[in-house]
Amino acid sequence: QQQVKQSPQSLIVQKGGISIINCAYENTAFDYFPWYQQFPGKGPALLIAIRPDVSEKKEGRFTISFNKSAKQFSLHIMDSQPGDSATYFCAARTGGGNKLTFGTGTQLKVEL
Amino acid sequence: GAVVSQHPSRVICKSGTSVKIECRSLDFQATTMFWYRQFPKQSLMLMATSNEGSKATYEQGVEKDKFLINHASLTLSTLTVTSAHPEDSSFYICSALTSGSYEQYFGPGTRLTVT
Repeated sequence: QQQVKQSPQSLIVQKGGISIINCAYENTAFDYFPWYQQFPGKGPALLIAIRPDVSEKKEGRFTISFNKSAKQFSLHIMDSQPGDSATYFCAARTGGGNKLTFGTGTQLKVEL
Repeated sequence: GAVVSQHPSRVICKSGTSVKIECRSLDFQATTMFWYRQFPKQSLMLMATSNEGSKATYEQGVEKDKFLINHASLTLSTLTVTSAHPEDSSFYICSALTSGSYEQYFGPGTRLTVT
């Protein structure tokens, strides 16, 4: 019940295209859903996050769509650039303990 | 923005020795710090949660006597890997959280290699 399932495992997108990464969860006690970007050999960096009372949040080229009834959320990267090539992790926070459960990660490659 | 540092960034140690990794919040007070490990091409796995001035809470399967965590101040937490073995070789990442915030700020990670 603590798992967060993430897909796809890897993704290749052409420059200027839209990258879409999906996550699904079971635990209804999760109350905060961040997305992280990680470059090789570096720690994760927070990209964007959403609370379950909001269905969509946009920051620049990054948008989270959240479907509470389906227990799914997704990250959309508009106008994908080669510099976006990285591994992306979704996560979900357990209320009270502040612990994050991470998805399995998506390796994104943006080609010219 | 909130910055978390880790030291060292890379360490190589011999099997059977101990190694200490420091995690510091540079511009905020971290009431809670987390320690994760990450194997190549895998996700982050939470090892333990530490609150300033109290004992760390370890996740199931993590040996507390092997991975000693100390959170002595609001800006510093340390992870000591005792009697390290090659299977402890991994990327160790800390994160920090300030009171009332949901956002965890991650350090740059420490690559541990045990020979």
